[in-house]
Amino acid sequence: NAGVTQTPKFQVLKTGQSMTLQCAQDMNHNSMYWYRQDPGMGLRLIYYSASEGTTDKGEVPNGYNVSRLNKREFSLRLESAAPSQTSVYFCASYGLAGVRELFFGEGSRLTVL
Amino acid sequence: KNEVEQSPQNLTAQEGEFITINCSYSVGISALHWLQQHPGGGIVSLFMLSSGKKKHGRLIATINIQEKHSSLHITASHPRDSAVYICAVSRTDKLIFGTGTRLQVFP
Repeated sequence: NAGVTQTPKFQVLKTGQSMTLQCAQDMNHNSMYWYRQDPGMGLRLIYYSASEGTTDKGEVPNGYNVSRLNKREFSLRLESAAPSQTSVYFCASYGLAGVRELFFGEGSRLTVL
Repeated sequence: KNEVEQSPQNLTAQEGEFITINCSYSVGISALHWLQQHPGGGIVSLFMLSSGKKKHGRLIATINIQEKHSSLHITASHPRDSAVYICAVSRTDKLIFGTGTRLQVFP
């Protein structure tokens, strides 16, 4: 089935630990995004990638790194997790050519203790 | 001022009521999206609009490009429509989100 696959769905980390959130889409979309969603804050853009090999900072990039491994995959890495990074993370992909399709992953709930 | 503003922020309704959620934006866009997020759930795209009006079941979305305004209407609302509705605009490859409208429909 076409869509965006995000892993893991849940993760608990201790302060200072590192982890990578994985995202893959099978719709041949060029643009992919990582957002975080905090209560009452709406979706805030962390990083995005307009095409394979390019990445750009969004609204809240500090403490995160990303990698656009290929057209399908866009990963988000927390090098040294902090409690302020406790959030729900969403990956999205967007197709510009032809039909403009916007799809989201199911979300990854991260808790940093 | 946010580039995408939604109103109202919160909305309660009785089952069967007609509901309207509004979205205004201040930038040039290539498309506007309406998204739905159920409590604790994922985000689903309901509509993508670049002009005019679209209808899907009890949901209707309209956009007025000149006035930079879009509305999402729900006819004959039902408790299962309770969710957060998010407006997002796209400018080439950038997406800008509103903060959402929380809708609760009571039986």
